[in-house]
Amino acid sequence: GESVGLHLPTLSVQEGDNSIINCAYSNSASDYFIWYKQESGKGPQFIIDIRSNMDKRQGQRVTVLLNKTVKHLSLQIAATQPGDSAVYFCAENPIYNQGGKLIFGQGTELSVKP
Amino acid sequence: GAGVSQTPSNKVTEKGKYVELRCDPISGHTALYWYRQSLGQGPEFLIYFQGTGAADDSGLPNDRFFAVRPEGSVSTLKIQRTERGDSAVYLCASSSGLAGLQETQYFGPGTRLLVL
Repeated sequence: GESVGLHLPTLSVQEGDNSIINCAYSNSASDYFIWYKQESGKGPQFIIDIRSNMDKRQGQRVTVLLNKTVKHLSLQIAATQPGDSAVYFCAENPIYNQGGKLIFGQGTELSVKP
Repeated sequence: GAGVSQTPSNKVTEKGKYVELRCDPISGHTALYWYRQSLGQGPEFLIYFQGTGAADDSGLPNDRFFAVRPEGSVSTLKIQRTERGDSAVYLCASSSGLAGLQETQYFGPGTRLLVL
């Protein structure tokens, strides 16, 4: 079946370092991908998205890379700060969806050490 | 402007009881989604509204779950005869509905439901 999964459940980095969070997806029909950040006790917060006609998209301190050949998505956070500590989810929206329902992966917990 | 709001923030109920969870989407957003998130897991889709109608309810686990959006704004998720396995965080999200099916969904803080 279709799935979106993350390679690592936890990631610990030093403040100021760059972080890379990875995500694998299995559905080649997926053409829209989103990264969300979820802090404890809060709802998911949109970070950045990318469509399948792009390989890379940059935001403020964040970059998303999409490799359709190997069905891999990554989120890069530059100069990681303590406030970046959270669980990060990738989500996909296959083009065949009736509506905009998102399929989420399990999540990666990012811990930033001061 | 205001984001998606959900009430109550926490709900504790007893097995077999009926509960209602409310979602206020971002003003003007025509698309509204309900998801359920179990501890340590990503959100799982329940139902999607476009306007007043449920366009996709394929994620509702069984007929104890029902959702309405009578005026195309506020939505209520209703759970009958609650079971302990219904305990989870229920998340609501909305999107503008103007850009087609694939557009940014903005989430509320969720309602934490605990069934004893």
